[in-house]
Amino acid sequence: QQPVQSPQAVILREGEDAVINCSSSKALYSVHWYRQKHGEAPVFLMILLKGGEQKGHEKISASFNEKKQQSSLYLTASQLSYSGTYFCGTPNQAGTALIFGKGTTLSVSS
Amino acid sequence: GAVVSQHPSWVICKSGTSVKIECRSLDFQATTMFWYRQFPKQSLMLMATSNEGSKATYEQGVEKDKFLINHASLTLSTLTVTSAHPEDSSFYICSARELPRQGSTRGYTFGSGTRLTVV
Repeated sequence: QQPVQSPQAVILREGEDAVINCSSSKALYSVHWYRQKHGEAPVFLMILLKGGEQKGHEKISASFNEKKQQSSLYLTASQLSYSGTYFCGTPNQAGTALIFGKGTTLSVSS
Repeated sequence: GAVVSQHPSWVICKSGTSVKIECRSLDFQATTMFWYRQFPKQSLMLMATSNEGSKATYEQGVEKDKFLINHASLTLSTLTVTSAHPEDSSFYICSARELPRQGSTRGYTFGSGTRLTVV
């Protein structure tokens, strides 16, 4: 079942912060976050495996609330290079492939 | 790190012809690879799971005879779009996951994608 992402789009100025949410109606055991730029392949950002886990990658961090079946991606002091579409992915029923949310498009301007 | 190579990057073909897309894991072995389809400004939709040495597992609604998948070796999976039609035009992306080494966690690596245009 496809995870639900919000918001659909975010427009920021450089230096501003943003939060992208990902939730699921079924139990979550892991959440993957990817960023895709136009016409390119998605790039892996991070994976969260345990409830309560938080991780960081440069000024991008994420949390995973297993009980609430949701994860949030935090982008701090955004840079122009952060522009793109962010997808969260959760394992399919077989636990092998990822099922992705519809994505959140982030546009950062100077 | 794990690298997945996908070819071709783009292809234009005539209606009714078949197109083969290759996906290779360059520095790791992948018993399982995944094929996604993406329409403009939309999400990645899982089409099928490619299994080395056995039949692929297709997602509901994906035509097996239209999208033939072969995973003949631990580093190569191919997707053949048979009797292509304009509605098959899309961005096709493959993915694989290197098994985590002790103490590390790896995500899935994606190929660069193939933009298919059927005219």
